[in-house]
Amino acid sequence: DAGVTQSPTHLIKTRGQQVTLRCSPKSGHDTVSWYQQALGQGPQFIFQYYEEEERQRGNFPDRFSGHQFPNYSSELNVNALLLGDSALYLCASSLGSGTASGYTFGSGTRLTVV
Amino acid sequence: AQSVAQPEDQVNVAEGNPLTVKCTYSVSGNPYLFWYVQYPNRGLQFLLKYITGDNLVKGSYGFEAEFNKSQTSFHLKKPSALVSDSALYFCAVRDIGSGGYQKVTFGTGTKLQVIP
Repeated sequence: DAGVTQSPTHLIKTRGQQVTLRCSPKSGHDTVSWYQQALGQGPQFIFQYYEEEERQRGNFPDRFSGHQFPNYSSELNVNALLLGDSALYLCASSLGSGTASGYTFGSGTRLTVV
Repeated sequence: AQSVAQPEDQVNVAEGNPLTVKCTYSVSGNPYLFWYVQYPNRGLQFLLKYITGDNLVKGSYGFEAEFNKSQTSFHLKKPSALVSDSALYFCAVRDIGSGGYQKVTFGTGTKLQVIP
């Protein structure tokens, strides 16, 4: 049974560019949550998708957007990249909100903005 | 908003000794608490959770956590540390986000170093 798959694993972008990160959730999971983990910090909640809609959002600007597809996979898009967007981006899948059964995390995408 | 605090950035323990990683919480209502572990260049792995019931929760890899309501704490413990336990540990709590939906909010993490 495949876990959560994220692609790409590493990415280098220039300031001002746009980036798309992808996530395939664990089989049987219907909810995808995205987190940003800056170096030396805990994961910060970006947003959560369920039934192809953004269900809730953390304190991130509109430059961060996402999408969920009918097969439950998800994309995270970041526009007008800033140096401060450099971080590990984690996708977490769950059945429902994840507060009962816990999240399954992917290994993350390491984004470096230069 | 609900939150957790991890007061120690790093914990060092000798192999074979018991380990404790501390976490305190601030919630309204009944707390749902979690511990996750992160190995280098990896995502987080679920260790255990407390929702209700016994105050001592057992989880993966021999870890357990003790819920203490009076001290608002949820410390992670293991009777005998292994070098392979060296990793970053995150305490987390159920939180209510925008629209009233549930999400998980993480602490800042504690680096555990087990010394051979």
